[in-house]
Amino acid sequence: GIQVEQSPPDLILQEGANSTLRCNFSDSVNNLQWFHQNPWGQLINLFYIPSGTKQNGRLSATTVATERYSLLYISSSQTTDSGVYFCAVALQAGTALIFGKGTTLSVSS
Amino acid sequence: GAVVSQHPSWVICKSGTSVKIECRSLDFQATTMFWYRQFPKQSLMLMATSNEGSKATYEQGVEKDKFLINHASLTLSTLTVTSAHPEDSSFYICSARLRQYNEQFFGPGTRLTVL
Repeated sequence: GIQVEQSPPDLILQEGANSTLRCNFSDSVNNLQWFHQNPWGQLINLFYIPSGTKQNGRLSATTVATERYSLLYISSSQTTDSGVYFCAVALQAGTALIFGKGTTLSVSS
Repeated sequence: GAVVSQHPSWVICKSGTSVKIECRSLDFQATTMFWYRQFPKQSLMLMATSNEGSKATYEQGVEKDKFLINHASLTLSTLTVTSAHPEDSSFYICSARLRQYNEQFFGPGTRLTVL
């Protein structure tokens, strides 16, 4: 099956710092989504981005489908950004998302 | 974005009992819903794919007779953990896909503890 690798596994930042999270995948995908899992377990949709670049406030994401990777950028990080960030992909339209192991982000003030 | 709810948000039960978890798409019709399980400090693992009006498709290693899935309408899928045991204790999360879109939305999860 498809492999989804996220790096780094853990990231510790001071408030205000910028960061880049990476997601590599082993096959062509039809769907790629980034999520933030909050302390209560809820998965928050950040981006639906099978290709191209999107921005939402301090967050932006880029997926280079031909090279099978995606990047999530967090600028001016805040303590509320702490949590686990997951990248998930699906091979075909309408099929289940396969998740990477996540990046645990800790932002301290 | 689309809203997916789950009920209950947490449940504690005795070993040997059955527990039903509901997943509802509140403001859209979902032809397909998915069930995942997440153990502490781990990622989400797909358990099964639930299509409205047809039998669920289970992932390898997931017992279909233990984890009963019913998708009776375009807005409701249920997961029943039968004869639960302590090793079934986990965080169960459902997701749904809008009929006309590819993006998936997740429910808030159900934390199951089996004593």
